[in-house]
Amino acid sequence: ETGVTQTPRHLVMGMTNKKSLKCEQHLGHNAMYWYKQSAKKPLELMFVYNFKEQTENNSVPSRFSPECPNSSHLFLHLHTLQPEDSALYLCASSQGGQGRYGYTFGSGTRLTVV
Amino acid sequence: AQSVTQPDIHITVSEGASLELRCNYSYGATPYLFWYVQSPGQGLQLLLKYFSGDTLVQGIKGFEAEFKRSQSSFNLRKPSVHWSDAAEYFCAVGGLDAGGTSYGKLTFGQGTILTVHP
Repeated sequence: ETGVTQTPRHLVMGMTNKKSLKCEQHLGHNAMYWYKQSAKKPLELMFVYNFKEQTENNSVPSRFSPECPNSSHLFLHLHTLQPEDSALYLCASSQGGQGRYGYTFGSGTRLTVV
Repeated sequence: AQSVTQPDIHITVSEGASLELRCNYSYGATPYLFWYVQSPGQGLQLLLKYFSGDTLVQGIKGFEAEFKRSQSSFNLRKPSVHWSDAAEYFCAVGGLDAGGTSYGKLTFGQGTILTVHP
């Protein structure tokens, strides 16, 4: 399998639930990213990982907890979410530190918090 | 700091008409420029990219873009739009800083929604 794969594609969770989003890439990239895309808002960069190390956290609330066990896998652990956290969560990867090649995106996880 | 402006939030064209989506960027050194397309509920797909050399770049699905350094622009064009081109389009900038160190982080514009009328 090639590209960036995100699972699940859709997720509905209550505010007291704990769930995780998964992202996997088979492109040999070294950098991975989580983005949040809400309706009528710009893409929001949440976290950046380079060679498994977190290099950026854009003031994301602690109810979002990323994990990057290796360069191919990225998780976003969710707990005690709010309705305003409902959005499309996109994972992307790139050749580490090389912005010239752009990002490869997954298809996203549509999250609904009820 | 780098930034990207897409002045048009929503554009409507008729099928078969030509299309131009505008993108202006601010970047201190050598920019790398990208256009992405996003269909509803999907991720972003790379249409084309500019690094250096020929300022007119060709992409997938019949799209092209022209880099104009003097205008800090990277507009996306298509001579004849198809109904399947209806989507949201994002311009992004990244690249080398003055010291020659490239960055992995891209800055995205707010997107332009394209509607195609039959």
